[in-house]
Amino acid sequence: QKEVEQDPGPLSVPEGAIVSLNCTYSNSAFQYFMWYRQYSRKGPELLMYTYSSGNKEDGRFTAQVDKSSKYISLFIRDSQPSDSATYLCAILLPGNTGKLIFGQGTTLQVKP
Amino acid sequence: GAGVSQTPSNKVTEKGKYVELRCDPISGHTALYWYRQSLGQGPEFLIYFQGTGAADDSGLPNDRFFAVRPEGSVSTLKIQRTERGDSAVYLCASSAAGANVLTFGAGSRLTVL
Repeated sequence: QKEVEQDPGPLSVPEGAIVSLNCTYSNSAFQYFMWYRQYSRKGPELLMYTYSSGNKEDGRFTAQVDKSSKYISLFIRDSQPSDSATYLCAILLPGNTGKLIFGQGTTLQVKP
Repeated sequence: GAGVSQTPSNKVTEKGKYVELRCDPISGHTALYWYRQSLGQGPEFLIYFQGTGAADDSGLPNDRFFAVRPEGSVSTLKIQRTERGDSAVYLCASSAAGANVLTFGAGSRLTVL
């Protein structure tokens, strides 16, 4: 079993839709969870960063962690065509090294 | 500089050749990472530097891969006797001391024919 699993999609939604992106992970010791956005031919850029369980909101984006089910989610409200990108969940490995394990990435297309 | 800079942005080489990929991290960032991203996959960890030394090279796939960071700033990833399976985007990232937030460069896209 991979340490982080993510449905690769692709996911296509109309502009204005609510988008839900999800990952599961295997190790209950993981504490730090991140979402990166990657545009075509660009490097990943950090969107959201959460510690342990709970929700974190930043504008139209909400990150949610459910440690009991080892499930992490990113919700995008009022999706825009500019949100079209690949979204990568990532887990920071314990040990303060900055090492990340990434999911496969979900490709999102928001159609105008 | 303002961001992480990687050169070349694209490299096409023939099987068996030697390749060097360069990363210029954000000024003052002590930690530097190399990741490899194959088509349709998430980035995979290769090696991590803290200052000049490789703190963790457990992700390097075999001894054809080597990386250096001699002065604690610019890093070079070196691949000997390239194989077609080495084709991927090689991403570099850096972070400030004690921070868990990595800033990635745009990557070097390597194609081995």
